[in-house]
Amino acid sequence: IAGITQAPTSQILAAGRRMTLRCTQDMRHNAMYWYRQDLGLGLRLIHYSNTAGTTGKGEVPDGYSVSRANTDDFPLTLASAVPSQTSVYFCASSDSVSGGGQDTQYFGPGTRLTVL
Amino acid sequence: GQNIDQPTEMTATEGAIVQINCTYQTSGFNGLFWYQQHAGEAPTFLSYNVLDGLEEKGRFSSFLSRSKGYSYLLLKELQMKDSASYLCAVRDSNYQLIWGAGTKLIIKP
Repeated sequence: IAGITQAPTSQILAAGRRMTLRCTQDMRHNAMYWYRQDLGLGLRLIHYSNTAGTTGKGEVPDGYSVSRANTDDFPLTLASAVPSQTSVYFCASSDSVSGGGQDTQYFGPGTRLTVL
Repeated sequence: GQNIDQPTEMTATEGAIVQINCTYQTSGFNGLFWYQQHAGEAPTFLSYNVLDGLEEKGRFSSFLSRSKGYSYLLLKELQMKDSASYLCAVRDSNYQLIWGAGTKLIIKP
């Protein structure tokens, strides 16, 4: 593994179903993020984690949950999918959050999710 | 509220120069990023500005004026592979990135 991987690449899901999007990084970054990207809108932060064992809510957290049991993995769960959650989901990671400096975020390849 | 504004779309000619502008209004400022995103792919990091002035990196340069809430990305000697969306993002006082909707750049031969 090099960088960040996400699975699945794409998924079509019936409304009401539960779905977990997986994200794994091998860069030993402290911070990880989940964004959604919709046409005509900027990336919007769903949830984030500053370090293993901690999580926080972003701009659009409703309907989503996350966990951060270890440094490498940051799964995103949709408990009961709705059509408005149709989007492209990107996972990202960075070395630190509040330590100052550049702290560039690096992105995974994305998951294209369609909820019918 | 927080806001990042960029033009929706721009067209330029191969070999030319193009400037993509970004204006922002955010709660605090802790740096500005430019990312490139090809269609169907992930955003990739291009540049970072935290102090006023110009940062040059090969064919790409990025400028920042904090007093004006303004940045631009300058692409020189345009190549067809530069056709992509360019995303401007500002890190706010909570150290979260606020993203613009992106500028789709179309390069014509």
